[in-house]
Amino acid sequence: GQQVMQIPQYQHVQEGEDFTTYCNSSTTLSNIQWYKQRPGGHPVFLIQLVKSGEVKKQKRLTFQFGEAKKNSSLHITATQTTDVGTYFCAFMEYGNKLVFGAGTILRVKS
Amino acid sequence: GAGVSQSPSNKVTEKGKDVELRCDPISGHTALYWYRQSLGQGLEFLIYFQGNSAPDKSGLPSDRFSAERTGGSVSTLTIQRTQQEDSAVYLCASSFRSLRGPDNSPLHFGNGTRLTVT
Repeated sequence: GQQVMQIPQYQHVQEGEDFTTYCNSSTTLSNIQWYKQRPGGHPVFLIQLVKSGEVKKQKRLTFQFGEAKKNSSLHITATQTTDVGTYFCAFMEYGNKLVFGAGTILRVKS
Repeated sequence: GAGVSQSPSNKVTEKGKDVELRCDPISGHTALYWYRQSLGQGLEFLIYFQGNSAPDKSGLPSDRFSAERTGGSVSTLTIQRTQQEDSAVYLCASSFRSLRGPDNSPLHFGNGTRLTVT
């Protein structure tokens, strides 16, 4: 089946620094979703991107979907300690199976 | 209920025993998913239900795993003859609809069942 590569696997930043995670696919995706999982918690939906080249913002978070719909990114400006967690991208494979990337673990030093 | 409810929250069982995990989705949600998450790992797809039918069982790791959903609502995931490698958090999620096409409803996850096989 389809797969996505999510990078980096892990990032440790100083509070106030920016953070970006990338999700790359070898095939065109119909849409992409992003989820955040706090330590000890369950994944929580952040956003869905559908259109080629789409950019959406949620406060300090900026989400992008590539023109070819093969890659996506999540950028956090001026990280805070509340941003810690694992960020997953996910896409709908044929048959309505939502497949998750391996996730990027973000740690923030205060 | 307000969210997806899973029970039990924790389960410790001896190797070889059977376990049953329960998921109560959000009322009105037609799609239901089971995932497995080992410590520090990603989400491994197990099975998906649309209504009571499971069009995709491809993620079930072995024939020891089975799942059913009744009345388009509650789902149970059963693991027979548990093994130590079955230890993980089992997450259930539901969504309002699951259709082919570009726009898909987000998944709402429960808090999971942490299964430990000793």
